[in-house]
Amino acid sequence: EAGVAQSPRYKIIEKRQSVAFWCNPISGHATLYWYQQILGQGPKLLIQFQNNGVVDDSQLPKDRFSAERLKGVDSTLKIQPAKLEDSAVYLCASSLRQRTVSNEKLFFGSGTQLSVL
Amino acid sequence: GDSVTQMEGPVTLSEEAFLTINCTYTATGYPSLFWYVQYPGEGLQLLLKATKADDKGSNKGFEATYRKETTSFHLEKGSVQVSDSAVYFCALSAGGSYIPTFGRGTSLIVHP
Repeated sequence: EAGVAQSPRYKIIEKRQSVAFWCNPISGHATLYWYQQILGQGPKLLIQFQNNGVVDDSQLPKDRFSAERLKGVDSTLKIQPAKLEDSAVYLCASSLRQRTVSNEKLFFGSGTQLSVL
Repeated sequence: GDSVTQMEGPVTLSEEAFLTINCTYTATGYPSLFWYVQYPGEGLQLLLKATKADDKGSNKGFEATYRKETTSFHLEKGSVQVSDSAVYFCALSAGGSYIPTFGRGTSLIVHP
């Protein structure tokens, strides 16, 4: 079974530029997550989708970050304009069920490492 | 809010040594607890989980027991291998949304 695919693997941009990340979850997985992992910290949830609807975006800095999940499959996360503190690994994860339960297993992609100079 | 606290790394061990990585949590209700592992260059993978008090999760020689009285879920392995070198994340899932909350991760380095 193919895993969660993310691209690009690495991205270097200057502050105030824009950047976009792409995620293709495991086929048939209803729920998709974007996490931000700053060096030395654990992953922090940015946004959760169930199919193509947003379930939780309370931690998403909406003045600069946006995300969409068209047709309930692929997803893109965009930052515009980027700040130095956005340097991190952006992880996409998916899970099978439409209603997340307490012991739900998440499948993660390898992440996109963003460096903002 | 919900949170997970892990011991700071890196943890450096020789092959065949005993491993313990401490994890404690704060949560309302009865969370599910997880250990995820991240090998170099790869995404996080679920290593083991426990869903109620006194449950023991186990996988690939790793074990962790859900201790409600001490709010802990320490990861152990009797004999580590070089291939176990990775970053280990403790996580919990609780509340209405059940969105996993992760600790900061503990890096394990195993020398031959």
